[in-house]
Amino acid sequence: QPVLTQSSSASASLGSSVKLTCTLSSGHSSYIIAWHQQQPGKAPRYLMKLEGSGTYNKGSGVPDRFSGSSSGADRYLTISNLQFEDEADYYCETWDSNTQVFGGGTKLTVL
Amino acid sequence: VQLLESGGGLVQPGGSLRLSCAASGFTFSSYAMSWVRQAPGKGLEWVSGISDSGGSTNYADSVKGRFTISRDNSKNTQYLQMNSLRAEDTAVYYCAKQCSGTSCYDDYWGQGTLVTVSS
Repeated sequence: QPVLTQSSSASASLGSSVKLTCTLSSGHSSYIIAWHQQQPGKAPRYLMKLEGSGTYNKGSGVPDRFSGSSSGADRYLTISNLQFEDEADYYCETWDSNTQVFGGGTKLTVL
Repeated sequence: VQLLESGGGLVQPGGSLRLSCAASGFTFSSYAMSWVRQAPGKGLEWVSGISDSGGSTNYADSVKGRFTISRDNSKNTQYLQMNSLRAEDTAVYYCAKQCSGTSCYDDYWGQGTLVTVSS
């Protein structure tokens, strides 16, 4: 089964950009992942599907400020022009053999 | 797309609870569904998934043999029967729609229902 590794926290200033990383375990570097956002006290929200090629497809209503990219086993979520409402937990997700796996999540603080 | 969970509440250790998730806004019978939980202050944990027809079901090791996932495509509803509940099952349980008829990623989430296992 794949394992997804995320940094526990990140911070960036209002109006700046931040790049969050999700790393796939050895032998799973080609896997597609999904990024989800969870604002405080709310349910998760699907942001995008991200392939190993770097191609990404965003969910309905996701702002243009959110983009994805890939390099080897790393999957990135970049948020540009950070807003206070972007302060949230961000999770990556993948699946294999009918089992889903989530990363531990990154708590993003907007300064 | 709307996913509305119900059935959560307070239950004693060893007890049972059945969660429901009513779906609307998409062709329910064409998509796999899943349950994902989040313990207080913790991250997301996949619990169980079911294919579009209901013919294939899968479970996390932590709930295998205790939880049963099912769906009624005529009612656009999926269920999670939880038996032999333990304190560590305390969590918000989210219903999620999958991206296709078989296991993939979640592309829509419900608002969640809280299950508390305590004496």
